[in-house]
Amino acid sequence: TQLLEQSPQFLSIQEGENLTVYCNSSSVFSSLQWYRQEPGEGPVLLVTVVTGGEVKKLKRLTFQFGDARKDSSLHITAAQPGDTGLYLCAGAQGAQKLVFGQGTRLTINP
Amino acid sequence: EAEVAQSPRYKITEKSQAVAFWCDPISGHATLYWYRQILGQGPELLVQFQDESVVDDSQLPKDRFSAERLKGVDSTLKIQPAELGDSAMYLCASGVFAGAAYNEQFFGPGTRLTVL
Repeated sequence: TQLLEQSPQFLSIQEGENLTVYCNSSSVFSSLQWYRQEPGEGPVLLVTVVTGGEVKKLKRLTFQFGDARKDSSLHITAAQPGDTGLYLCAGAQGAQKLVFGQGTRLTINP
Repeated sequence: EAEVAQSPRYKITEKSQAVAFWCDPISGHATLYWYRQILGQGPELLVQFQDESVVDDSQLPKDRFSAERLKGVDSTLKIQPAELGDSAMYLCASGVFAGAAYNEQFFGPGTRLTVL
């Protein structure tokens, strides 16, 4: 049973379009991280959200933590080919353990 | 910028052989994690160290996998004997736990293992 469900699993869009990726769970997390992973490389931390309802922005990326701290979303505005990659959400259980979703593979076509 | 180092980056081996992966965490990070990532999936925790002690190895297949962090700094993950199903990316991550409310982990580039 996947503790964190990400949707969609695959997304292919044209450069300049907007998109939203979702990360959902029935469990409450103390925090949630988003990572981006390129082929053959390790995940790179993008952001950590801690407070229910929290919104963080990283240039064209907007991250939101659900009010109940069970879900999160990642919104990308005006997607660029450089945004292509595997986006992973990870929920913290306790202070040290992370549980990862299966990822959303995003392809931005020029 | 400090990074987690891993070697080798790629390893091809035949089934029943032994393989070993090495990880050097970011300096000062007391917590070290080994993950396995199968293609198309998210990472799954194999083992977690706090300094030199194992905190969680509940998902480590102990009949063939072993991990150590003798001096609380770098770490080695070993598989003996390797099986076809072990083909995956093996990721090392490190972090700092100081009673913080959240957990940020920083990953190395990974070792891509192919078992033939």
